[in-house]
Amino acid sequence: GESVGLHLPTLSVQEGDNSIINCAYSNSASDYFIWYKQESGKGPQFIIDIRSNMDKRQGQRVTVLLNKTVKHLSLQIAATQPGDSAVYFCAENVEGGYQKVTFGTGTKLQVIP
Amino acid sequence: GAVVSQHPSRVICKSGTSVKIECRSLDFQATTMFWYRQFPKQSLMLMATSNEGSKATYEQGVEKDKFLINHASLTLSTLTVTSAHPEDSSFYICSAGIRPSTDTQYFGPGTRLTVL
Repeated sequence: GESVGLHLPTLSVQEGDNSIINCAYSNSASDYFIWYKQESGKGPQFIIDIRSNMDKRQGQRVTVLLNKTVKHLSLQIAATQPGDSAVYFCAENVEGGYQKVTFGTGTKLQVIP
Repeated sequence: GAVVSQHPSRVICKSGTSVKIECRSLDFQATTMFWYRQFPKQSLMLMATSNEGSKATYEQGVEKDKFLINHASLTLSTLTVTSAHPEDSSFYICSAGIRPSTDTQYFGPGTRLTVL
């Protein structure tokens, strides 16, 4: 039978507005964090990463903020476009430099044209 | 660069049969690859770490005799689901990283397994 999955948190944003996707991580020893974008039926796509010695990093239209005090990570997408519609996962590296990462639960971003 | 491929992209099999999924790093060498499973509307769950030339390391709760992993070369890892059952139906995704230059993992496109 069909498995019952979790209901993903959904963020609906008007095209052209900025999006902010939040993530709480669990391990205070994590020193490397990554945001991935996953479109339906595809593998995760790397967006941006940040190390624990930084609190902000900017890419093209994206910014990641890290607050180690409260173990919080956010992804900001500027001028959101329909092509940004996807599920976004944060991931943390809990073994520093070994590449093994743990994924968060994910947030579905819906861009309204 | 940093492209990871998987084959097949979709597979449907009968209960009790075995299915092999290939993961290849196309333009880099990967001493370590990772295998994940993802159920609908859920996150990726790490199943095992595949090490070139040695045995895979399995996460707690993952049966190593059911999910056979072989990392035969620096560009190829295979996952074989043995005696598949309907509950093994899932989206299987592999990843690999370029070492030592980066810790970033690059993911394959995934394989949709449906067991009838």
